[in-house]
Amino acid sequence: ETGVTQTPRHLVMGMTNKKSLKCEQHLGHNAMYWYKQSAKKPLELMFVYNFKEQTENNSVPSRFSPECPNSSHLFLHLHTLQPEDSALYLCASSQVEGSGGYNEQFFGPGTRLTVL
Amino acid sequence: GQNIDQPTEMTATEGAIVQINCTYQTSGFNGLFWYQQHAGEAPTFLSYNVLDGLEEKGRFSSFLSRSKGYSYLLLKELQMKDSASYLCAVGGRDDKIIFGKGTRLHILP
Repeated sequence: ETGVTQTPRHLVMGMTNKKSLKCEQHLGHNAMYWYKQSAKKPLELMFVYNFKEQTENNSVPSRFSPECPNSSHLFLHLHTLQPEDSALYLCASSQVEGSGGYNEQFFGPGTRLTVL
Repeated sequence: GQNIDQPTEMTATEGAIVQINCTYQTSGFNGLFWYQQHAGEAPTFLSYNVLDGLEEKGRFSSFLSRSKGYSYLLLKELQMKDSASYLCAVGGRDDKIIFGKGTRLHILP
């Protein structure tokens, strides 16, 4: 039990579908992250929410839309995805104490996304 | 640019010792992390180094040299369950963590 849960664990969708990934953290952290993990590539940071405000958007295509309604929940809304978007999407949370602080991230189990 | 290098794959024998190296070039340095990731699972935290030197935690140790941009993870008394990918990650500016591609470690009986 990592304290970070993600649903669904597996998702298959067509290119015209709209779906959402959900992440919930039970650790009282104030920052949440979305990562994409493709085969043979490093973890790619997509979005960062620090104190519920988006502080990072690593040039992610607009077909990915994050939402952070509160410090415990994070969503990733998906629409008109491409087959190359198939990957493992990982959510993580951490406690940010200010610049230069220790920043261990706790990961959820991930959502395995397949786009047909 | 930002770059983290680690070997793609390594193989070791059960009961032996293995050292996984990591070199990095990043803008800003806020500590170096090692994570373990079993196939199909989320990464889990192993260690964190922010000062030079060796940190020991049971069978696992992690070393950091900031002047050389170098770290290693040392695994002793290897067990079959240690077969996994080991991710080196650097804490950079603005609370970001930059990950390497990971080293896939195979343990042979």
